[in-house]
Amino acid sequence: GESVGLHLPTLSVQEGDNSIINCAYSNSASDYFIWYKQESGKGPQFIIDIRSNMDKRQGQRVTVLLNKTVKHLSLQIAATQPGDSAVYFCAEKRGNQFYFGTGTSLTVIP
Amino acid sequence: GAVVSQHPSWVICKSGTSVKIECRSLDFQATTMFWYRQFPKQSLMLMATSNEGSKATYEQGVEKDKFLINHASLTLSTLTVTSAHPEDSSFYICSAPGGQGRNTEAFFGQGTRLTVV
Repeated sequence: GESVGLHLPTLSVQEGDNSIINCAYSNSASDYFIWYKQESGKGPQFIIDIRSNMDKRQGQRVTVLLNKTVKHLSLQIAATQPGDSAVYFCAEKRGNQFYFGTGTSLTVIP
Repeated sequence: GAVVSQHPSWVICKSGTSVKIECRSLDFQATTMFWYRQFPKQSLMLMATSNEGSKATYEQGVEKDKFLINHASLTLSTLTVTSAHPEDSSFYICSAPGGQGRNTEAFFGQGTRLTVV
């Protein structure tokens, strides 16, 4: 079946380094993607989104890259801070619904 | 931005009882809301789509009689876990679309942690 998945379940980075979180999707018809951050015991928080007619979108310290050829999405966090420690999900919009990938747990080492 | 509020944040109930979780859109109307379930260290799994004024649409494998959804107004959807059992213990999260456009984000509630003992 079609799915949205992440390559790495856990990622540890040193404070100040850049982080890269990856996501693969298989539904070529998907045209809108969002990265969410979820802290323990809380609901997901919007980080950044990207439409399929774009390859790259930048926010504050975050960049999302979309490669439609290989159906791959990545989230780059610059100068990672301890407050960035959380689980990150990519979500794929199908119709009016969002379907989430497996998630990557990011740990920032002080 | 838009706010979605869930209540309660945490509930412990006895096996066999029913628990109701509320999801409210605080500053916007939501004709559609979504209910997710999340087990520890796992992703969010879409359970059902709640439609104002009509029946909810359930994902495959989700028991309709177990998870009752009511969307009585444009700002409130409720999920009732009926005859709860320990295996129903989970984190339940609701969301509402931020708008009618195709490329609009979903806003999420803070989640409800259900523990059935």
